[in-house]
Amino acid sequence: GQNIDQPTEMTATEGAIVQINCTYQTSGFNGLFWYQQHAGEAPTFLSYNVLDGLEEKGRFSSFLSRSKGYSYLLLKELQMKDSASYLCAVRDPGGYQKVTFGIGTKLQVIP
Amino acid sequence: KAGVTQTPRYLIKTRGQQVTLSCSPISGHRSVSWYQQTPGQGLQFLFEYFSETQRNKGNFPGRFSGRQFSNSRSEMNVSTLELGDSALYLCASSSAGGYTAKNIQYFGAGTRLSVL
Repeated sequence: GQNIDQPTEMTATEGAIVQINCTYQTSGFNGLFWYQQHAGEAPTFLSYNVLDGLEEKGRFSSFLSRSKGYSYLLLKELQMKDSASYLCAVRDPGGYQKVTFGIGTKLQVIP
Repeated sequence: KAGVTQTPRYLIKTRGQQVTLSCSPISGHRSVSWYQQTPGQGLQFLFEYFSETQRNKGNFPGRFSGRQFSNSRSEMNVSTLELGDSALYLCASSSAGGYTAKNIQYFGAGTRLSVL
């Protein structure tokens, strides 16, 4: 099975940088996803890591260390619209789309 | 391209009733997964269907069931509703390529079920 830990809440200032950490303990691994979910809306895909290292996409970057069971999502130049929950999810190696989600980190961006 | 469509958006039921939720995936997507989302538990995997077959299943009681049709549309059924079944039910579709493919899941807006 999978166990995923991430902070429940974070607060950051507009224009700043914030790092949201995710640790996982699994019996196997086949990729890690980050999703963004605004209140009352569907989760939307942000990033995917399957190999160690950093993936950069605009203001968002995601890092993975498989040996440490660790990932982070880095958000730069924070904007008010970045206030949302950020979900870390790990895909089970035993199934194509059996994905375990963390409980999510609620990020509040303040002026 | 139309996104994932879930109907209805809201439902109110009473304990003991049953409910059926519908999900139409993105055109060309053959994998459909269902999740239950609650404030305390987050997103929990219910099951995944691919080519009309259940391919994966989470740890939910047998009251939760689903099916997929030949056009990839999927339905989820919950029988003998309990108060604890109140949640947002999300459907996600993906192209479900090979085992190592990215296979990003695209989510619908969900059906919010309230059990009274």
